[in-house]
Order: sequence, then structure tokens, then C-alpha cells
Amino acid sequence: DVVMTQSPLSLPVTLGQPASISCRSSQSLVYSDGNTYLNWFQQRPGQSPRRLIYKVSKRDSGVPDRFSGSGSGTDFTLKISRVEAEDVGVYYCMQDAQDPYTFGQGTKLEIK
Amino acid sequence: QVQLVQSGSELKTPGASVKVSCKASGYTFTSQAMNWMRQAPGQGLEWMGWINTNTGNPTYAQGFTGRFVFSLDTSVSTAYLQISSLKAEDTAVYYCARGRGDFWGQGTLVTVSS
Repeated sequence: DVVMTQSPLSLPVTLGQPASISCRSSQSLVYSDGNTYLNWFQQRPGQSPRRLIYKVSKRDSGVPDRFSGSGSGTDFTLKISRVEAEDVGVYYCMQDAQDPYTFGQGTKLEIK
Repeated sequence: QVQLVQSGSELKTPGASVKVSCKASGYTFTSQAMNWMRQAPGQGLEWMGWINTNTGNPTYAQGFTGRFVFSLDTSVSTAYLQISSLKAEDTAVYYCARGRGDFWGQGTLVTVSS
């Protein structure tokens, strides 16, 4: 199975400041079709997860452009350019390049 | 608009069974697979597997074989998760999610307690 490792697991951020979350996979997430299947999800307190980013860097509809994804192969990053209060929650990376799909442990973002 | 609406919370005793439903609307049900995820209290997300909504063929992740069954009723655009011989450690919120996770249900809390 592909192991997804996130860091940090806890991320205190001052409002208006940038934030960055790293996600590393134990194997390449490049699929046979040439696409890299790495997603980022946000889970606000008491809510269902919401996908923010798919295929490394493609932003889902309605996701603010302060969220961006980057990376390749086995090393990926989610960046928030300026953290807002509504960004509080847990962020998960997830690979769907190969069965079984696997999630990172989650990174809890809080406001300092 | 796309919606996945799950059935309500369940309280079950150990050894019982439960069936969680996930009703889809706003798109062609058979055009996208349905995935199931589990989130134990205070824990992260775990992928349980998926079901092909065209063929009904399920794929289960390791750890979710035997007692877990995915099924469909395409006539009402609904996917189901059935868990049998419930154990205390099955206590969790169960989510359905369309395709590669662009839309999720609101989650169903299953509590197993004597």
C-alpha cells in the first residue's frame, strides 16, 4: 500500500499569514495515463470533508484562489497564501493512483 | 446541483447489522463510482473501497472484507453500505463520496454499544 506522510501534524498560523503543508508518498503517484493522482481535502470542525485540489494542482470549483497545490512524483505541497478564520480545520492529502486509496494522517490548522 | 444524502444516525448493539444509505441526485448516478470512507471518533479518514455503479462490482480495502457489503439500487440512485456482526470498534462516521471525491455525503454516525 502507498503510505502518505504529512507534516506538520499541527499548524498554528496567524491570520493573514501564509501556511504550507507537506505530503510525501512512499511510491510515485504517476498513473499509467500520465496523470498524478494526488488530492487535498479540508475538513472543517463538524463537517464532511471537502475536496480542494485534485491531480496535484487543479482547484475544485468554488475553492478560493488562496489555496494552491504543487509537487510531483512523491513530494507534494498545499499552500494557503493568506490564512483566514474559515480555514480552521484538518487538511488531508489522499492518493487515488492505486488501490487501496490512502490518506495522510491529517494536519490540524488553527489560528494563533 | 449534485447532492449525496445519507441516512440518519444509528445506535446498534454488538452483533447486530446496520445498513447505511447514500441517495444521489443532480447527476446521472451510473456515470461515477461511489466510494465509502470511515472516520472513527477523533481519528483520520480511512478508505473502505468503492462500487462500480454500472456493473455493481465492489472493491474492498483490506480490513473491510467479510462483514462489509456495498450494494446499489440504481432505480432510486442509491448506494448502500451494510455492516454485519457489529463490534464496538465499528463505531464511526461513515461517508459516501462520488467518484474521486468531488462530492461527499453528510456522514452517518454508527454507534455500537451494549
